[in-house]
Amino acid sequence: QKEVEQDPGPLSVPEGAIVSLNCTYSNSAFQYFMWYRQYSRKGPELLMYTYSSGNKEDGRFTAQVDKSSKYISLFIRDSQPSDSATYLCAMDSTASKLTFGTGTRLQVTL
Amino acid sequence: ETGVTQSPTHLIKTRGQQVTLRCSSQSGHNTVSWYQQALGQGPQFIFQYYREEENGRGNFPPRFSGLQFPNYSSELNVNALELDDSALYLCASSFRAGVTYEQYFGPGTRLTVT
Repeated sequence: QKEVEQDPGPLSVPEGAIVSLNCTYSNSAFQYFMWYRQYSRKGPELLMYTYSSGNKEDGRFTAQVDKSSKYISLFIRDSQPSDSATYLCAMDSTASKLTFGTGTRLQVTL
Repeated sequence: ETGVTQSPTHLIKTRGQQVTLRCSSQSGHNTVSWYQQALGQGPQFIFQYYREEENGRGNFPPRFSGLQFPNYSSELNVNALELDDSALYLCASSFRAGVTYEQYFGPGTRLTVT
C-alpha cells in the first residue's frame, strides 16, 4: 500500500465548475500537507500548504485537512481553462523530504 | 529574485553511462532537494543537501550521488545508467532544512536512457 493515494483521473469539468481533488494517506506522522500544480513538462508549483486540521483559503483555492480520517482535499472555485494541469498532493513527516501522490490530471473545458 | 534553475533541459544517454545534472537554488535558499519523477507518477525523494552535507536520503541506490557547493548550487550524479532511470529530475530549494512546506521546484531535467 502506498503512503499517499491519489486518483490519477483524468478529471474533466466545464469552465466555472467547482473542482474537488482528494488524497488519502496512511502515515500518521505526516504533519504538513501541500498542494502543487504541475503543467505539462514543467516543475511543480506550490499552491498551498496547511499544518493543522481544518480549512485554509487562498483566492479561488481552499485546502482542507482531516487528520482523523487521514484525508485532504483541494477545492477550486470558478475553474478556468488555465487551471488545466496535474495537481499533486504532498506530505511531510521527517522535515527533510516530501512524499507525493501520483497526481490528478484536470481538464477544464470551455 | 531568481527562481530555481536547472541544466540541461533534457539529455539522452546510453545505458551504462554516467550523467551529471545541475541546479541553482533560489536566492537566499541554503537547502536543495532532488526528486525523480517517472512518467505518470509523483516525484520521489532522492536526497537533500544542507550546508554542503547530505541531510536525508530516499530509497535510491548509491549510484545516485550528489554535491552541494558553497554558493548552495548542487549537482546530481548518476552512474551506470539503467533504462528505468529515464525520468524528469527535479531540484527544489528551501530557505532552510526542515522547511519542506516551502520548497520551490525548478523546471526539471528530462533524462532519457536508451
